[in-house]
Amino acid sequence: AQTVTQSQPEMSVQEAETVTLSCTYDTSENNYYLFWYKQPPSRQMILVIRQEAYKQQNATENRFSVNFQKAAKSFSLKISDSQLGDTAMYFCAFMKHGSGGSNYKLTFGKGTLLTVNP
Amino acid sequence: NAGVMQNPRHLVRRRGQEARLRCSPMKGHSHVYWYRQLPEEGLKFMVYLQKENIIDESGMPKERFSAEFPKEGPSILRIQQVVRGDSAAYFCASSPPGTQYFGPGTRLTVL
Repeated sequence: AQTVTQSQPEMSVQEAETVTLSCTYDTSENNYYLFWYKQPPSRQMILVIRQEAYKQQNATENRFSVNFQKAAKSFSLKISDSQLGDTAMYFCAFMKHGSGGSNYKLTFGKGTLLTVNP
Repeated sequence: NAGVMQNPRHLVRRRGQEARLRCSPMKGHSHVYWYRQLPEEGLKFMVYLQKENIIDESGMPKERFSAEFPKEGPSILRIQQVVRGDSAAYFCASSPPGTQYFGPGTRLTVL
């Protein structure tokens, strides 16, 4: 079974600054995906960024980037130039990689509440 | 291109009533997942369905909960004889290979 741990229940950052959210996971799988989802006050779950474990290059989406350390089983999210709209709960999630296009469930961490202050 | 749709967005039931939650995946997707989010917690997997098949129901409570994804129409999560502990947000996700996109959720309140 996989586990995902987010050790920071809450964080805050000043607008325009950079913040890093931590995530570690435990798995015996070699091929998998890792995700960061954002849940703003609207409660919608929004996919922020996705990383394929077999790719060494860290994923980047505009102001969002990850630091993926496979050996350490670490997957942190860096948000640059923080904006007020980034205020949300952020969830790290793991999904096993299926063969032949098969899919598997997501396993989530407990989340980190990020507040961006003006 | 419509995203994942869920209805109703809010549902209020009295203890002992039935709750039916609906999910229509994104066009072209035939995999649906249901997750439950209790207050102040992360999402927990309940069930994974493909059209007319339950693939993984390892997260589903053994009693009162059932799910289906018929050949035509949306996926349905059904909760019979609801109790206060069923109050939660229920999310549906639609899945191409290697990722999942979520609907807006249904917030169930049991009085």
